[in-house]
Amino acid sequence: GAGVSQSPRYKVAKRGQDVALRCDPISGHVSLFWYQQALGQGPEFLTYFQNEAQLDKSGLPSDRFFAERPEGSVSTLKIQRTQQEDSAVYLCASSLFGTIYFGEGSWLTVV
Amino acid sequence: TQLLEQSPQFLSIQEGENLTVYCNSSSVFSSLQWYRQEPGEGPVLLVTVVTGGEVKKLKRLTFQFGDARKDSSLHITAAQPGDTGLYLCAGVGQFYFGTGTSLTVIP
Repeated sequence: GAGVSQSPRYKVAKRGQDVALRCDPISGHVSLFWYQQALGQGPEFLTYFQNEAQLDKSGLPSDRFFAERPEGSVSTLKIQRTQQEDSAVYLCASSLFGTIYFGEGSWLTVV
Repeated sequence: TQLLEQSPQFLSIQEGENLTVYCNSSSVFSSLQWYRQEPGEGPVLLVTVVTGGEVKKLKRLTFQFGDARKDSSLHITAAQPGDTGLYLCAGVGQFYFGTGTSLTVIP
């Protein structure tokens, strides 16, 4: 596609519910990143993939967060047993040669 | 972990005024990038600075990389409402973004 596509754009989840957020990176981009962003704050790094390999997951806040990219293209960020503090925008980004291109984000609200 | 501190955190100015935002770190970066993020959108790359002391201009925006490659500044001349957004710095290859400066330009 022309840009990084994320879905859903908006998600309201009840506390304790599991959610899955999808990212379609720019075709051919090797690197894929997930970030968590609170309102008015800079994005916080969650995890990084190079092709299908998850090279860095040091930013995942707890074992309730899990990300995968099984075929080196589409990625899914899964949050289990959501809690209110998980409410944020989740940004996906991809890159090929250094420049990072971001999607519009998935807005998650946990009620 | 935020390795890059930005200041000020919030800035509200009148159209036509000048402003400078800062990005500081205790770490040395091989290069640094500035992004602008508008509400409801992802960050968009504005510029990459590579050499210590480098100055780059993008229309009314002037970016400077510190001599020691630990800090950077963004100066906007004659700000316009279209400059409103969240300005972010990021160390290339580091995955980490700065704390952000939220700029509002009032018409």
